[in-house]
Amino acid sequence: DVKVTQSSRYLVKRTGEKVFLECVQDMDHENMFWYRQDPGLGLRLIYFSYDVKMKEKGDIPEGYSVSREKKERFSLILESASTNQTSMYLCASTLTPGGGTEAFFGQGTRLTVV
Amino acid sequence: SQKIEQNSEALNIQEGKTATLTCNYTNYSPAYLQWYRQDPGRGPVFLLLIRENEKEKRKERLKVTFDTTLKQSLFHITASQPADSATYLCASRGTGRRALTFGSGTRLQVQP
Repeated sequence: DVKVTQSSRYLVKRTGEKVFLECVQDMDHENMFWYRQDPGLGLRLIYFSYDVKMKEKGDIPEGYSVSREKKERFSLILESASTNQTSMYLCASTLTPGGGTEAFFGQGTRLTVV
Repeated sequence: SQKIEQNSEALNIQEGKTATLTCNYTNYSPAYLQWYRQDPGRGPVFLLLIRENEKEKRKERLKVTFDTTLKQSLFHITASQPADSATYLCASRGTGRRALTFGSGTRLQVQP
């Protein structure tokens, strides 16, 4: 019954490393999202994609990039990891782009940059 | 700027009581509001969606209201149980945006 799967639950990376977070959904959704969640700040949108090879910046895109080569897969890339990117990263998908349908979330990736 | 806000203080209630959580939005008028539950270390799980023309929506022990005049949604859990302890998030799509914006969540603790 798993619908959105993130490749890792926990990751520890060193400052300056290039980091890849992978997300796969099996619901044939066109819309996929990457959020980060920090205490007191809630979920903040990093990037989203509404179609293969299409992407739009969210509220905090700096230091991140994304890739969507296939409909079911949406990757978040930290070009050069920094300690302030230590966070919980959440991938989500929706059937429609607006708020009219529910978002399905992955289990989250807890990333620590040392 | 558009904002969606929840009371960041934790809510502690006794088992069997009704928990009421608040979500307020400012500077926009969402067509839908959604509520999610999040357990520690896990991703949010969808609970309910309410449309702007619906005053109230129910699902088992859950009830959501949407007051467009007050710009507020209330989320109620009746006959609360310790298993209801979690963080509850509200979310909506802002004007001109394609993605959901989330409140920071309210942590609910139900004491046995």
